[in-house]
Amino acid sequence: DIQMTQSPSSLSASVGDSVTITCRASQSISSFLNWYQQKPGKAPKLLIYVVSNLRSGVPSRFSGSGSGTDFTLTISNLHPEDFATYYCQQSYSHPRTFGQGTKVEIK
Amino acid sequence: EVQLVESGGNLVQPGGSLRLSCAASGFTFSNFAMSWVRQAPGKGLEWVSTIGGRGTITHYADSVKGRFAISRDNSKNTLSLQMNSLRAEDTALYYCAKEEYYYDSSGFSKNYFDYWGQGTPVTVSS
Repeated sequence: DIQMTQSPSSLSASVGDSVTITCRASQSISSFLNWYQQKPGKAPKLLIYVVSNLRSGVPSRFSGSGSGTDFTLTISNLHPEDFATYYCQQSYSHPRTFGQGTKVEIK
Repeated sequence: EVQLVESGGNLVQPGGSLRLSCAASGFTFSNFAMSWVRQAPGKGLEWVSTIGGRGTITHYADSVKGRFAISRDNSKNTLSLQMNSLRAEDTALYYCAKEEYYYDSSGFSKNYFDYWGQGTPVTVSS
């Protein structure tokens, strides 16, 4: 199984800051990497698919990059509504696996 | 508008069974693979199972293989998850999710979960 490891597990930031979340796969997954956002008590929502493609309606302050085993999600100019937990997920093979999540909290 | 509405979650004793359902609308159900993803209280997301659009191809997490069975009724736009031999560690909020496909320049299909339901809670406890 492909293990997905996110770092950090949590971070504190202020409105207006830029933050970067890293996701590392235990083996190469090419560009089969997606990102989801989850707010407390809500279902996850797709943010970015196939590394860097923003889902329609997702603000351009979100961006993704990477290939192979190392990927990043960057949020520029944090807005209050961006404080949430973010998960990466690989679709290279079954079983599909998620990172453990990165909680972005308000400083 | 795509909608996924799960139901069937409940409190069940260890060793018991439960059947979850997900009613889908707003898209051509038979054209898309569907999945179940769960989230234990305070924990992260765990993929459980996927079924292809025609229902002939299924995949399971090792943690549920042999105990859970995913199925779909394309005539009723419904996804199901039959859960047997339930254990305490199966306690979670169960989401159904629709899979979308992205075809890259080489023609490879890269999948992602583009829509999620609100989840149905399953508690396994005596």
